[in-house]
Amino acid sequence: KAGVTQTPRYLIKTRGQQVTLSCSPISGHRSVSWYQQTPGQGLQFLFEYFSETQRNKGNFPGRFSGRQFSNSRSEMNVSTLELGDSALYLCASSPSGGRDEQFFGPGTRLTVL
Amino acid sequence: QQQVKQSPQSLIVQKGGISIINCAYENTAFDYFPWYQQFPGKGPALLIAIRPDVSEKKEGRFTISFNKSAKQFSLHIMDSQPGDSATYFCAARGAVGAAGNKLTFGGGTRVLVKP
Repeated sequence: KAGVTQTPRYLIKTRGQQVTLSCSPISGHRSVSWYQQTPGQGLQFLFEYFSETQRNKGNFPGRFSGRQFSNSRSEMNVSTLELGDSALYLCASSPSGGRDEQFFGPGTRLTVL
Repeated sequence: QQQVKQSPQSLIVQKGGISIINCAYENTAFDYFPWYQQFPGKGPALLIAIRPDVSEKKEGRFTISFNKSAKQFSLHIMDSQPGDSATYFCAARGAVGAAGNKLTFGGGTRVLVKP
């Protein structure tokens, strides 16, 4: 089975722009979670989608949003980018969102200039 | 509270030695405690996980010890190898329904195994 894939792998944007990141979960997985990883704050939960519905949300401003499609693929969007949004954005999928393991993708490295 | 504290931040161990990483949590609603291994340029990969109904779990050279009363758990890497050099994260998750699939991570431990 193919693993979690994330596109693009690297992205450079300037302040004020917006960005959309994509995540394709493992085939058959219905839960997709997003995390932000930075050297200062570590790994922080952004949100989780299950069956196209946001089930949980972390403590991030409204500039961070996401959605999930009927095929379980997910996108996250960050509007009005700030320098502090530079991070590795990780997507994780699990089969049902229940007591399952989460499998992480390689991440998208976003740099905001 | 949802905090998970991890120590040490980094450690150096000789090949063949034992690496020990400790984590402490506050939220008694956590019921699943995984450890992830991350190499540079890669996403975290699940190494081993434990639930609070057992005190120890071993998979190969990796062992989790869990102390529910102290709200602490630790990872032991036996016979450490240079290929184990990576960053290790402990995490915790609450019961599904209350917090979905949200993982709360510790700050990470960078392990260097010297040959």
